[in-house]
Amino acid sequence: DAEITQSPRHKITETGRQVTLACHQTWNHNNMFWYRQDLGHGLRLIHYSYGVQDTNKGEVSDGYSVSRSNTEDLPLTLESAASSQTSVYFCASSWDSTTYEQYFGPGTRLTVT
Amino acid sequence: AQSVTQLDSQVPVFEEAPVELRCNYSSSVSVYLFWYVQYPNQGLQLLLKYLSGSTLVKGINGFEAEFNKSQTSFHLRKPSVHISDTAEYFCAVREGAQKLVFGQGTRLTINP
Repeated sequence: DAEITQSPRHKITETGRQVTLACHQTWNHNNMFWYRQDLGHGLRLIHYSYGVQDTNKGEVSDGYSVSRSNTEDLPLTLESAASSQTSVYFCASSWDSTTYEQYFGPGTRLTVT
Repeated sequence: AQSVTQLDSQVPVFEEAPVELRCNYSSSVSVYLFWYVQYPNQGLQLLLKYLSGSTLVKGINGFEAEFNKSQTSFHLRKPSVHISDTAEYFCAVREGAQKLVFGQGTRLTINP
């Protein structure tokens, strides 16, 4: 079955380290998104991509970067991790402009100490 | 920019009681609205969506929502809840080509 996976599921890192969170989908979806989930804020969009080589900043992009070299993957990099980036990160994908439904991965819980 | 307000951060109800989770959105043309559910330690999954047509939308697990343009609301309802409905519920609105803007979430707790 097609799916969307995230790895690792849990990560503890130290302040200042570079961290990359992986997202892989097998639906061949054009659109991919990264969100962070924090108590009281719901989900906030970090970066998104509408296709290979396309990346765009979302609402809370400072300190994060993404690259899209193929359809299946959109890795999220924290250039220099900060304690404020402790959060649960969700990747999502969607196919087209007729349904707008996004399919979510299981999430990565990141703790920055 | 679009915005979504979920009026209750937590809603406790007894099992088999009805429930309504409230959602208001900022006014715009061509509003597309969604409700997602997040069970503990899982990602989000779509409950239902309103794109056009009938203002009463039925979703999975017995949930339904009503689109009210004049009140800019999209409240989620279920006539009789079960313990298994315990989860966090997110209202979302489409922004731009493919993006979604989410509300802050409502934690629904079902008490036996």
